[in-house]
Amino acid sequence: EAGVAQSPRYKIIEKRQSVAFWCNPISGHATLYWYQQILGQGPKLLIQFQNNGVVDDSQLPKDRFSAERLKGVDSTLKIQPAKLEDSAVYLCASLSGPDTEAFFGQGTRLTVV
Amino acid sequence: DQQVKQNSPSLSVQEGRISILNCDYTNSMFDYFLWYKKYPAEGPTFLISISSIKDKNEDGRFTVFLNKSAKHLSLHIVPSQPGDSAVYFCAASGTGNQFYFGTGTSLTVIP
Repeated sequence: EAGVAQSPRYKIIEKRQSVAFWCNPISGHATLYWYQQILGQGPKLLIQFQNNGVVDDSQLPKDRFSAERLKGVDSTLKIQPAKLEDSAVYLCASLSGPDTEAFFGQGTRLTVV
Repeated sequence: DQQVKQNSPSLSVQEGRISILNCDYTNSMFDYFLWYKKYPAEGPTFLISISSIKDKNEDGRFTVFLNKSAKHLSLHIVPSQPGDSAVYFCAASGTGNQFYFGTGTSLTVIP
């Protein structure tokens, strides 16, 4: 079974530029998450999708972050404009159902300079 | 507000001995708990989980204990091996399937 795929693995951008991350979850997983992990901290939920609908985006800084999952499969997370404090690893995860584990991708390490 | 806490940022253990990693949570609505292991430059990988209806779950060298009254869980690794050296994250979820993570404990197993 293929795992959660994310790209790119690494990205360096200047502040005020825009960036997009892509995630392809495990086939058949209806729930998809985007997490932000800042160095030395645990993953923090940014947004949760159930199929193509948003379940929770209360922690997403909506003035600069946006995410979509148009066909209920792949998802993209965008930051525009980026700030220095957005430097982090962005993790995508997917879930098959309740009371099961979420599977994570390898993450995208973003550095904003 | 941190709903899941891991108060020990790091732990060193001799190979062959027991590693005990601790985790506390504040939300009594959490009913499913997990431990993830993370190597550098990789995403977290699932290790073991426990439902709130149990107080212990064992999988090979890994055992998770849950004390609901204390809102505390722990991960025991016996015997510890050098390959266990990684960062371990505790996570909890409730209704809505949202996972809340602790800040992680970096385990070093010394050969």
